[in-house]
Amino acid sequence: ELKVEQNPLFLSMQEGKNYTIYCNYSTTSDRLYWYRQDPGKSLESLFVLLSNGAVKQEGRLMASLDTKARLSTLHITAAVHDLSATYFCAVPVNTDKLIFGTGTRLQVFP
Amino acid sequence: SQTIHQWPATLVQPVGSPLSLECTVEGTSNPNLYWYRQAAGRGLQLLFYSVGIGQISSEVPQNLSASRPQDRQFILSSKKLLLSDSGFYLCAWTRRGTYEQYFGPGTRLTVT
Repeated sequence: ELKVEQNPLFLSMQEGKNYTIYCNYSTTSDRLYWYRQDPGKSLESLFVLLSNGAVKQEGRLMASLDTKARLSTLHITAAVHDLSATYFCAVPVNTDKLIFGTGTRLQVFP
Repeated sequence: SQTIHQWPATLVQPVGSPLSLECTVEGTSNPNLYWYRQAAGRGLQLLFYSVGIGQISSEVPQNLSASRPQDRQFILSSKKLLLSDSGFYLCAWTRRGTYEQYFGPGTRLTVT
């Protein structure tokens, strides 16, 4: 059974600092998805990574995928308060489903 | 463009009462549809998914059921709610043959 693990589960960081969220998965997959969820809200798509070595960047967030290591990273550069949210990675299984990671709750403080 | 709707947005129901949540998608045909539940402060639990009208796959045995009476309509139901059914219910869709899921705004259910 596919398992998708994220760490850390909770991250409290100061504005201006850098940090990385890790997403490990237990079976082969050539693609991975990142989502953001603001408190009390639904999920919105952040990044779609479709091949080994894929790198996507938007603003202060950069995501990468290493399919051989079964690892994706979400790097935060110079964090700002607006990035405070829960971040989920997700890996496809079979042909119809995504398995979501446990989520990383990010809190950025001044 | 595609849009996904869920209603109601919030719901407070007593234990033992029935439930019906509705999800509809506009602007696409033959989508895959999904129901998730998220307990407070937790991750996503896939409840049901559907690849076509009348085709429902159940992921977790429980007192909930799902139906897809029309191509772009997905309904989550229960005959008798339990306290443990409280949570944030999210509907999502994908284009057939792809994996990226697009989520609706969600329904927050509180069972009292």
